[in-house]
Amino acid sequence: GAGVSQSPSNKVTEKGKDVELRCDPISGHTALYWYRQSLGQGLEFLIYFQGNSAPDKSGLPSDRFSAERTGGSVSTLTIQRTQQEDSAVYLCASSSQPWGLRYEQYFGPGTRLTVT
Amino acid sequence: RKEVEQDPGPFNVPEGATVAFNCTYSNSASQSFFWYRQDCRKEPKLLMSVYSSGNEDGRFTAQLNRASQYISLLIRDSKLSDSATYLCVVPGGNKLVFGAGTILRVKS
Repeated sequence: GAGVSQSPSNKVTEKGKDVELRCDPISGHTALYWYRQSLGQGLEFLIYFQGNSAPDKSGLPSDRFSAERTGGSVSTLTIQRTQQEDSAVYLCASSSQPWGLRYEQYFGPGTRLTVT
Repeated sequence: RKEVEQDPGPFNVPEGATVAFNCTYSNSASQSFFWYRQDCRKEPKLLMSVYSSGNEDGRFTAQLNRASQYISLLIRDSKLSDSATYLCVVPGGNKLVFGAGTILRVKS
């Protein structure tokens, strides 16, 4: 079956531009997570969605970052006025259970963002 | 103290060797734990879940020591295909906290 998909796979943008990253979770998965991974670093939690609501936004680094989820499915992560330190791989994961803390999270292939 | 700490390695071992990684965590309330595997430039994938004292799956054994707050992953009879980064994952509040990973390189 179809896994988690993300688009674009690669994005190069100039400093100061806005970018939108998209995540299509596995059909029927209610929980959706965004992480980012900088070179050689672990995964940094950004935001969690249960359905269309985001009970936990604690990981968003600044107010330039926002995310939404519509129809309990597709999610978009938006970064405004990108900075070079935003360069990273942005990973999306989904899970079939609320919070997903006891259940496997399935990851998408990620979007590699490079800010020049 | 970091929420999840791992030795970054790399661990360089020959094929057939047994290798073990440790991971320490700070949240004593955590009840479930995970080991994920991440290949170079790929997404993480679940390797094992640990809910009680341990779990075994073929060549892989995960053990949990709640008193000392560490989790270990043992790989027996290492294969070339086991070369990857192994991520220790612990629930922290309402999210999963990932360690920075331990790099394993299996050589022929």
